[in-house]
Amino acid sequence: ILNVEQSPQSLHVQEGDSTNFTCSFPSSNFYALHWYRWETAKSPEALFVMTLNGDEKKKGRISATLNTKEGYSYLYIKGSQPEDSATYLCAPRHTDKLIFGTGTRLQVFP
Amino acid sequence: GAVVSQHPSWVICKSGTSVKIECRSLDFQATTMFWYRQFPKQSLMLMATSNEGSKATYEQGVEKDKFLINHASLTLSTLTVTSAHPEDSSFYICSASATSGRAGEQFFGPGTRLTVL
Repeated sequence: ILNVEQSPQSLHVQEGDSTNFTCSFPSSNFYALHWYRWETAKSPEALFVMTLNGDEKKKGRISATLNTKEGYSYLYIKGSQPEDSATYLCAPRHTDKLIFGTGTRLQVFP
Repeated sequence: GAVVSQHPSWVICKSGTSVKIECRSLDFQATTMFWYRQFPKQSLMLMATSNEGSKATYEQGVEKDKFLINHASLTLSTLTVTSAHPEDSSFYICSASATSGRAGEQFFGPGTRLTVL
């Protein structure tokens, strides 16, 4: 069973603060790494799919990096806004399956 | 685009009854659909993978006779929890993979909260 760890489990920041969190995963048999944002009572929304070591992806104020050799990915949010409040899930893809971490719950206070 | 709906969003049932959950891809054809379960404070755990027109593939430890999956069309998959018991109370969520687009990208429904009394 693959062990995917996300840290921190939860995070409270002020509006305007920048923040980042980590996803750690086994580096063997790596295929792709998915990041999702999951707001309460909504569907998880795909943010990024990354496959190559050193990949960096950006979507607005959110960006992510990938290190497949050491098995980690960072998600950064610049200038957090209340609407960024959500749980952020990472999921490395192992063969055809996504293996999810427990997520980082972010709350941004105005 | 890539919207997946799930119905019902929540359901309460008595122990011993069966519950059916529907997962629909609204604006794309999904050859593969996935069913996950999430217990409190745990991660999404894959239960089974279903391909349109063929039998579902269940993960280890998931009883196929208890969790019946039907994927009869390219836009609909159903999960039936048969003879539900309180320990089946959980959050069930489906995802769908499009026939075109990036391989492995899954689009999720909003989930179904099942409570078995």
